[in-house]
Amino acid sequence: GAVVSQHPSRVICKSGTSVKIECRSLDFQATTMFWYRQFPKQSLMLMATSNEGSKATYEQGVEKDKFLINHASLTLSTLTVTSAHPEDSSFYICSARPGGPTGELFFGEGSRLTVL
Amino acid sequence: QKEVEQNSGPLSVPEGAIASLNCTYSDRGSQSFFWYRQYSGKSPELIMSIYSNGDKEDGRFTAQLNKASQYVSLLIRDSQPSDSATYLCAANTDKLIFGTGTRLQVFP
Repeated sequence: GAVVSQHPSRVICKSGTSVKIECRSLDFQATTMFWYRQFPKQSLMLMATSNEGSKATYEQGVEKDKFLINHASLTLSTLTVTSAHPEDSSFYICSARPGGPTGELFFGEGSRLTVL
Repeated sequence: QKEVEQNSGPLSVPEGAIASLNCTYSDRGSQSFFWYRQYSGKSPELIMSIYSNGDKEDGRFTAQLNKASQYVSLLIRDSQPSDSATYLCAANTDKLIFGTGTRLQVFP
């Protein structure tokens, strides 16, 4: 399957700081990438759709000013959690779909954020 | 609201048995369906995709789709302890919607 790489895998930060997570498609170009969040023992919740060269589309209830998404190239999307708080602690996972809008979605390794 | 429903489990089966995982979805416009396996603390891994009614087999895995009943299932034959994980069902229309997952436990 397609390879999606995510970095960092784990990050611990103090409350009030900002954290950037990178997501790269390694063997295909992705005009669209997806950012999910997963709390313990819960399913994946789509946060936003990252669109190369344009603004991201956020799901209802997700603060776009808090979760900044930049998709500057066909292989890289970044998610910045601004002014992180303990309630933002979660598993953030990016994904991409090399085969078009109905195709298979491949996930990065995930980034576990812990905000102290 | 578009939903995907799964029994949370755990589903416990002995090694070598068939594990049957079920999923229903609410949006009749869903065009493609996926099963992912997620180990604790890891990101989901694609197991199967299915796009049309009927069965699709890949090794020990068989996915079944019934669009009339809005039902998707995954059968795992000859279950192994290494199959123990949470299995996520997902349905796709304009975006991929995940179920809450079924935890499978395969005991030796």
